[in-house]
Amino acid sequence: QVQLQQSGPGLVEPSQTLSLTCAISGDSVSSNGPAWNWFRQSPSRGLEWLGRTYYRSKWYSNYALSVKSRIIINPDTGKNQVSLQLSSVTPDDTAVYYCARMPVVTHYSGMDVWGQGTTVTVSS
Amino acid sequence: QSVLTQPPSVSAAPGQKVTISCSGSSFNIGNNYVSWYQQLPGTAPKLLIYENNKRPSGIPDRFSGSKSDTSATLGVTGLQTGDEADYYCGTWDNSLNAAVFGFGTKVTVL
Repeated sequence: QVQLQQSGPGLVEPSQTLSLTCAISGDSVSSNGPAWNWFRQSPSRGLEWLGRTYYRSKWYSNYALSVKSRIIINPDTGKNQVSLQLSSVTPDDTAVYYCARMPVVTHYSGMDVWGQGTTVTVSS
Repeated sequence: QSVLTQPPSVSAAPGQKVTISCSGSSFNIGNNYVSWYQQLPGTAPKLLIYENNKRPSGIPDRFSGSKSDTSATLGVTGLQTGDEADYYCGTWDNSLNAAVFGFGTKVTVL
C-alpha cells in the first residue's frame, strides 16, 4: 500500500528556510493520477492546506495565498519524493507539518494517505 | 477563522449517535465533493468519508456522510470510546483555488 515518510529538522531559526521531504512508497510522484500535498496544523490556524504538485504531461503546482510568496513544493523523480520549502519563517510558522496524497486531481477526492507529521518549531 | 464552519464539540453516550455539521458556500461545498477526517491525539488525520458519502476500505459503516446544497453532515452511530477524536470536514474552494477545512469538532463519549 502507499506510504509517506517525512523527514526534516524540527527546529528552524527565524528568517531561515524550513525544508521537509516526503518519501513516497507504493506509488510514483510522477504518475498521472494523484496530487501530492503539504499541510500544517497548529492550535491557532487549525488544519491548513499549503499547496500541491502533480504531473499531467508536465508538472503543475499551486499554493495557498497565505504562503504563496514564500513556498516551493518540488517533486524529485529520482528519489520518488516531494519536498517543501518555506522561506523567511517566523514563530507563526511553528506547526505540525504533513504531506498527503489526493488520489485524483480531476476533482476533490480527499486525502487518502498521510505522512506521520513533523513538528517544526521556529525559534532562535 | 476557517472557510468551513463546524461546531466545536458534540457528545453522546456509548451506543448513541452523533452528527457533525459542516457549513460552507457555493464556492466550496456547493460545487465540490466533501471529505471527512478523524484525528486521534498525536496522529495524522485519517480519511473517513470521501466524495460526500463513500467510505474507504476498512472504515466501518457506523460512519456516514451526506451533503445538501452548501452543507455536509457526518454521522456516527453506535458510538464507542475509541471514537473520541477530532473530526474535520474538507473540500475544494473554487474562488481560493485551494483545499479548505473546518476548524474541527471534538467528539466526546460520555
